[in-house]
Amino acid sequence: GAVVSQHPSWVICKSGTSVKIECRSLDFQATTMFWYRQFPKQSLMLMATSNEGSKATYEQGVEKDKFLINHASLTLSTLTVTSAHPEDSSFYICSARVGGQDTGELFFGEGSRLTVL
Amino acid sequence: GQNIDQPTEMTATEGAIVQINCTYQTSGFNGLFWYQQHAGEAPTFLSYNVLDGLEEKGRFSSFLSRSKGYSYLLLKELQMKDSASYLCAAIDSNYQLIWGAGTKLIIKP
Repeated sequence: GAVVSQHPSWVICKSGTSVKIECRSLDFQATTMFWYRQFPKQSLMLMATSNEGSKATYEQGVEKDKFLINHASLTLSTLTVTSAHPEDSSFYICSARVGGQDTGELFFGEGSRLTVL
Repeated sequence: GQNIDQPTEMTATEGAIVQINCTYQTSGFNGLFWYQQHAGEAPTFLSYNVLDGLEEKGRFSSFLSRSKGYSYLLLKELQMKDSASYLCAAIDSNYQLIWGAGTKLIIKP
């Protein structure tokens, strides 16, 4: 199957710093990627839909100025958590559909666990 | 509103069969996914159903009834490694994924 790679897997940072998480589609082009956040024992929560070459679409309640998304190429989307605070500590996961089909299989990155001290 | 319901937790015995149910209420429907998620890891794809009926894939099978808004994931010959959370997600008319909270499956020897 298609491979989505996410980096870093783990990151610990001090409160007030910014953290960038990368999501790459290794063997296919992804015009659309999705960013999720998952708190312990809770379901995936869609944060935003990242569109190559255009602005991301954010879900209600997600601060676009705090969670900066850039989708500069068909194989790379980045999520930057700006001025991170302890409440931003979470598991962040990206995903992409093969071929851009709306009902196609969704492949997930490995996830990035962010801990803000 | 849109909603996905699945049991919070289930327990089964190694070698047995377990069925995890999922009911959904969405505005429009374009299919349903089942994903497996081990603790601390990202979800991995198990199945996709858009037509009524049973889809079998090895030890795992998934069933869908669109008229009832109901799906189940059937796991046979359970192994200890099957201990994980199983996420049900439906695609609505806008092709947005609506996720269930997941069912934590505990396998006992």
